[in-house]
Amino acid sequence: EIVLTQSPGTLSLSPGERATLSCRASQSISSNYLAWYQQKPGQAPRLLISVASNRATGIPDRFSGSGSGTDFTLTISRLEPEDFAVYYCQQYGTSPSTFGQGTRLEIK
Amino acid sequence: EVQLLESGGGLVQPGGSLRLSCAAPGLMFSSYAMGWVRQAPGKGLEWVSGIEGNSRRTYYGDSVKGRFTISRDNSKNTLYLQMNSLRVEDTAVYYCAKSHSGWLVDYFDYWGQGTLVTVSS
Repeated sequence: EIVLTQSPGTLSLSPGERATLSCRASQSISSNYLAWYQQKPGQAPRLLISVASNRATGIPDRFSGSGSGTDFTLTISRLEPEDFAVYYCQQYGTSPSTFGQGTRLEIK
Repeated sequence: EVQLLESGGGLVQPGGSLRLSCAAPGLMFSSYAMGWVRQAPGKGLEWVSGIEGNSRRTYYGDSVKGRFTISRDNSKNTLYLQMNSLRVEDTAVYYCAKSHSGWLVDYFDYWGQGTLVTVSS
């Protein structure tokens, strides 16, 4: 199965700053079938991005996804207070679908 | 707005059984694959099981294969997860999730609120 490694494990930033989260795959992800989710404490994950760069309905344009092959990035251009959460990547190009271990984005 | 309403979680002893349900009112349910994703306390997400819209194909993670059974009743817009021979390591919040398409392997565009399963003596 494809292993996804997210880095850093924890990212400490201030509101207004730019956040860059990485997701690296153990092998190339077919058709760039990579998604990103946001999870806040006590809540279910929420879809942010699909197919590496397509924002889901209702997701602000400060969230953007990029990358291909084995290296993918989620960028939050200007952090808002509500953006501090845990972020997961998921690959669905090869069965079984797998998730990364998550990156915690915390307020500095 | 898609709603996924889980139920059936609770406390069970090791070796016991539990059945989770997920109702999806108003959804064109049979058109979509569905899945169960779990999250152990303080841990990440794990895709446990999935089922296509017509139930033709299913998926089970290695950790639950042979113990869990996924099923769906399209006439009731409801997804199920029968969990047998439960282990302490099955303790987690179990999320019902809707696949974006009818494909078994896809991203999840809607999630339920989760139901907690605790396996402990």
